[in-house]
Amino acid sequence: ETGVTQSPTHLIKTRGQQVTLRCSSQSGHNTVSWYQQALGQGPQFIFQYYREEENGRGNFPPRFSGLQFPNYSSELNVNALELDDSALYLCASSLAGGTAIEAFFGQGTRLTVV
Amino acid sequence: TQLLEQSPQFLSIQEGENLTVYCNSSSVFSSLQWYRQEPGEGPVLLVTVVTGGEVKKLKRLTFQFGDARKDSSLHITAAQPGDTGLYLCAGARSWGKLQFGAGTQVVVTP
Repeated sequence: ETGVTQSPTHLIKTRGQQVTLRCSSQSGHNTVSWYQQALGQGPQFIFQYYREEENGRGNFPPRFSGLQFPNYSSELNVNALELDDSALYLCASSLAGGTAIEAFFGQGTRLTVV
Repeated sequence: TQLLEQSPQFLSIQEGENLTVYCNSSSVFSSLQWYRQEPGEGPVLLVTVVTGGEVKKLKRLTFQFGDARKDSSLHITAAQPGDTGLYLCAGARSWGKLQFGAGTQVVVTP
């Protein structure tokens, strides 16, 4: 049990729609990262939030956006959904600083775009 | 594009056998993590290695970080069905931003 919780666990959306995924970070952690994991692949880094600001972004278009709140929880928003956005979306929380960064993942949100 | 190469992609062994999974990169990482993931779940952190040449043991699992901090291996002794899962290595660049390999699917049959 990592303490990182994501909601919802499953979601089905239609192409062109918008979706919001939520994540509560582990107690004591101040950094949240989002990853997309397509079937049969490893997770791909989308972006990270620290102190309510984006702190690095992977190779994802601007229609992927996020927020971090004062309690360190976070949202991932995806606009104009495409079929290829179907994937497991993972949230990971960590504590900024130190030489060994350990990220703890939630159970993920399975998004299906039809 | 996966900059961390894991091999093999798939491994099926009998209970009691040993196995080794490899993770290789041309990049240097400040640390490297190994995770195990089960279907429909998030990855679970197994170990973090930081120092080049470091060896860590977790019961029947042995993790090694290469001297140049570019590669790593995971060795499981006397595998059990409960070891079945997707094993992922991830290199840390900074502040929890992880670069993952594609994973090695391990199946241990009784």
